[in-house]
Amino acid sequence: GDSVTQMEGPVTLSEEAFLTINCTYTATGYPSLFWYVQYPGEGLQLLLKATKADDKGSNKGFEATYRKETTSFHLEKGSVQVSDSAVYFCALTSGTYKYIFGTGTRLKVLA
Amino acid sequence: DAGVIQSPRHEVTEMGQEVTLRCKPISGHNSLFWYRQTMMRGLELLIYFNNNVPIDDSGMPEDRFSAKMPNASFSTLKIQPSEPRDSAVYFCASSNTGQVPYEQYFGPGTRLTVT
Repeated sequence: GDSVTQMEGPVTLSEEAFLTINCTYTATGYPSLFWYVQYPGEGLQLLLKATKADDKGSNKGFEATYRKETTSFHLEKGSVQVSDSAVYFCALTSGTYKYIFGTGTRLKVLA
Repeated sequence: DAGVIQSPRHEVTEMGQEVTLRCKPISGHNSLFWYRQTMMRGLELLIYFNNNVPIDDSGMPEDRFSAKMPNASFSTLKIQPSEPRDSAVYFCASSNTGQVPYEQYFGPGTRLTVT
């Protein structure tokens, strides 16, 4: 079945450092890919999405490119801030209601 | 738009008591999801409704759990009787299946503690 694998956390970075959170997937067909972010005490919020190969999703300085050849959707940000501290979830859906979520990666940014 | 609304935000109850969690989806959305989040198991889909009809309840852990959606603007998740292992954060999410891909919008969650 479909699956999503995220890098284990926590990831601890200093402010203004470069961020990469790896995400790879297994799916039949052509899934849509998402990154969700969960701030402490809150629900998940959609951060960005990509619906076909080579699409780049971007929002709030975060980017991720849908790479079909490597079945990856890595999240990147050039300069993280303390306010980016949160848990990040990679997810996919293959055109149905069902989302497959990764286990989440906790990011901690130090001032 | 008010977003998905859940109540209560926090619930503390004793083992054996009935617990009811409530959700109001985003107006115009026709799909509703209940999830449970724990450290051990991550995010689990409990049940999915489409147009108020339960479509997939395969994630409901056992008969103690039940969910209803009497109309398009309200859903409940009930646990009776509750047990300590039910302690978790329960999220409601909604989406509009008329828009592909089906982006899910999550509520703030209900943190349930069963003592």
